[in-house]
Amino acid sequence: ETGVTQSPTHLIKTRGQQVTLRCSSQSGHNTVSWYQQALGQGPQFIFQYYREEENGRGNFPPRFSGLQFPNYSSELNVNALELDDSALYLCASLAGTASTDTQYFGPGTRLTVL
Amino acid sequence: GQNIDQPTEMTATEGAIVQINCTYQTSGFNGLFWYQQHAGEAPTFLSYNVLDGLEEKGRFSSFLSRSKGYSYLLLKELQMKDSASYLCAVPYTGRRALTFGSGTRLQVQP
Repeated sequence: ETGVTQSPTHLIKTRGQQVTLRCSSQSGHNTVSWYQQALGQGPQFIFQYYREEENGRGNFPPRFSGLQFPNYSSELNVNALELDDSALYLCASLAGTASTDTQYFGPGTRLTVL
Repeated sequence: GQNIDQPTEMTATEGAIVQINCTYQTSGFNGLFWYQQHAGEAPTFLSYNVLDGLEEKGRFSSFLSRSKGYSYLLLKELQMKDSASYLCAVPYTGRRALTFGSGTRLQVQP
């Protein structure tokens, strides 16, 4: 158990719809990263939030957006869903300020887009 | 840019030893991570190497050669529960996130 929780566990949406995924970080962790993991692939970095500000972004379009709240919980929003958005979405929290700090992953949300 | 290569699948026998290789290309090397991921679950941290050499942690060891851009994860006394994907990762350039390889799916057979 990493102390990182995500909701919902599974979600089915239709192409064109919007979705919000949620993550609660481990206590004391002020940084959260979101990753997309397609079947059979490694996780790909979407973006990161540090103290409620976006602090870096991977190669994902603007329809992927996020929020971090004062209690350091976080949301990932995806607009205009496409079939290729079907994946496991993972959030990871970390406490430190170094790129080498260990990231603690939540169990993920499995999104299916039909 | 960054690039990480790992074999896609490996099979080994319970009680044996298996070595999972990872080669990487990255500017400004800042360490290498190994994570274990069981099917449908979150990745869990196994090891972090920043200096050359072998680091042992129980049944698992991780090796790094910075000059060769190469790492491996060594699993000894394999158990059925070791069947999982093993992910090699390096810090994402300029960000406190990770770039992952595609993972090596290890199947341990009786």
